[in-house]
Amino acid sequence: NAGVMQNPRHLVRRRGQEARLRCSPMKGHSHVYWYRQLPEEGLKFMVYLQKENIIDESGMPKERFSAEFPKEGPSILRIQQVVRGDSAAYFCASSPGQGIAEAFFGQGTRLTVV
Amino acid sequence: GEDVEQSLFLSVREGDSSVINCTYTDSSSTYLYWYKQEPGAGLQLLTYIFSNMDMKQDQRLTVLLNKKDKHLSLRIADTQTGDSAIYFCAETAQDDKIIFGKGTRLHILP
Repeated sequence: NAGVMQNPRHLVRRRGQEARLRCSPMKGHSHVYWYRQLPEEGLKFMVYLQKENIIDESGMPKERFSAEFPKEGPSILRIQQVVRGDSAAYFCASSPGQGIAEAFFGQGTRLTVV
Repeated sequence: GEDVEQSLFLSVREGDSSVINCTYTDSSSTYLYWYKQEPGAGLQLLTYIFSNMDMKQDQRLTVLLNKKDKHLSLRIADTQTGDSAIYFCAETAQDDKIIFGKGTRLHILP
């Protein structure tokens, strides 16, 4: 799982600022998932993307959150006008395709909103 | 709907076996997973099992799957202090999302 790179590892934002979280999938992986982990909670699915396509965003809050996975470059999870409740660990996972056993996770980005 | 349930805490003495249990609801799950998360770290895939298997062993780890009861367990033999972590059970749902439980915090007693 060291192959999925997330940056930054830690991000501090003031309320109202924007947070941009990056995920570079493993080489050869074209599917990316984003999960959010609140303190003392499990991981909650947010969004599933393929290159240039959002496949499933049923876990994304309706406002302020967006995600993209462009043809070139990392996947970006963007949170506009952050609030304290957005403080969490955000994990990205990648896989080479649908229906395969192993999605490899990155180390996560820990977002703190002050 | 999709749901994965597991107990939140487990305490085990060093050297004993740990058994972490999990139940899931999606009978169409193709894969079931166990992930380990150490404090402040990301997720490490420990092992996974195909839904058409009932057991998988990998060194100190044994996964048992009872598909009829939708029950999955992870047994760690000879538990060490380095096994102290949160263990997440997860399933692949029909739409290829991975659904996680809330995690079981394993505490090792000396």
